[in-house]
Amino acid sequence: QSVLTQPPSVSGAPGQRVTISCTGSSSNIGAGYDVHWYQQLPGTAPKLLIYGNSNRPSGVPDRFSGSKSGTSASLAITGLQAEDEADYYCQSYDSSLWVFGGGTKLTVL
Amino acid sequence: QVQLQESGPGLVKPSGTLSLTCAVSGGSISSSNWWSWVRQPPGKGLEWIGEIYHSGSTNYNPSLKSRVTISVDKSKNQFSLKLSSVTAADTAVYYCARATEPLLAFDIWGQGTMVTVSS
Repeated sequence: QSVLTQPPSVSGAPGQRVTISCTGSSSNIGAGYDVHWYQQLPGTAPKLLIYGNSNRPSGVPDRFSGSKSGTSASLAITGLQAEDEADYYCQSYDSSLWVFGGGTKLTVL
Repeated sequence: QVQLQESGPGLVKPSGTLSLTCAVSGGSISSSNWWSWVRQPPGKGLEWIGEIYHSGSTNYNPSLKSRVTISVDKSKNQFSLKLSSVTAADTAVYYCARATEPLLAFDIWGQGTMVTVSS
């Protein structure tokens, strides 16, 4: 059971907007620690998608955005594309260790 | 640009020690970064194992701390993982990754290496 809770799966049609939640607690996200998001395409290593709650690394499309409020964070993907089908993980810090959410599988219908 | 490459045995016997190395190319391991190991059991999520700074300072996941040692070899520009007393539960893809100060997000990952614990 992960310290950060994500929905196991979300889905959307091409062009639609989807959001993935990441729920933590007062010892991690709520304590002010940053949230980062990763995209993992099938059979590949995770790739940094959002850092510092809402910042995109160079090369990441602006269709991807992140936000944080209280003890939760969210990843939003607009203009959904077939190549967005992947697993998404949130990450933060808690009690002297880096913690990940359990992951969310995004299916593009 | 910095690249990471894991190497090591793909098969380890139960109760043995898993040993992996991560070679850093395109940059210095002595830069202001933390170097981590992360693993992913088949079909499951990511688990942080531990990290090391070029000074040798380390932090470990408390759930694995008694079995983990991470070390750095600045002369070879690489860092290593040793996990002792392995069981089938340690079967996973093992990734090395870089976290850059101050945000400490894992911005560069190795391709990963599959390690199976089996007799």
